[in-house]
Amino acid sequence: DGGITQSPKYLFRKEGQNVTLSCEQNLNHDAMYWYRQDPGQGLRLIYYSQIVNDFQKGDIAEGYSVSREKKESFPLTVTSAQKNPTAFYLCASRKGTGVSGTVATDTQYFGPGTRLTVL
Amino acid sequence: KQEVTQIPAALSVPEGENLVLNCSFTDSAIYNLQWFRQDPGKGLTSLLLIQSSQREQTSGRLNASLDKSSGRSTLYIAASQPGDSATYLCAVCVYSSASKIIFGSGTRLSIRP
Repeated sequence: DGGITQSPKYLFRKEGQNVTLSCEQNLNHDAMYWYRQDPGQGLRLIYYSQIVNDFQKGDIAEGYSVSREKKESFPLTVTSAQKNPTAFYLCASRKGTGVSGTVATDTQYFGPGTRLTVL
Repeated sequence: KQEVTQIPAALSVPEGENLVLNCSFTDSAIYNLQWFRQDPGKGLTSLLLIQSSQREQTSGRLNASLDKSSGRSTLYIAASQPGDSATYLCAVCVYSSASKIIFGSGTRLSIRP
């Protein structure tokens, strides 16, 4: 089955710890995204990557880091610098890249999410 | 800066009713607009995508319209069912970065049996 997987489903972090959230896709999509969702709010963009070995900060990148060493993988690290990390984290991918004059007009596909709680 | 607003934040209607969810955006320079469905604790599922050159899209009992000039979109759900209960989010893909999508905060819909 093609799709996006995120692991773990639930994650607990102690104060001062770094944790890494996994996101894998087998859709052969070029672009991948990380969003944060807080209760009663829409999704806010943390980081996105349009091609391998390249990524850009979104609106709330502080305290987070990413890597894109493989097309199918886009892990997100929540560092100790993120002061309020408790949230629901969603990964998404899209076929179009939006680079070189190509407009990314197709839909994003989302993973099931990871709920992170700080103890 | 693009802002996307969805009103109301929550809506409860009896089963069988037709209903309309609203979405407004502040900048008409968009590539497309999408409606998503989110069940509690789950990811998002795309329902309909309307390109900027289109006026509406239909899928089954769902119909989405787009009026770029007024910065508005509506999602029409016909003959609502309890299984339609979920949060519905609207999102626009903006010109400032072709890969960036701005989301509204969603409308939480409850269909009463």
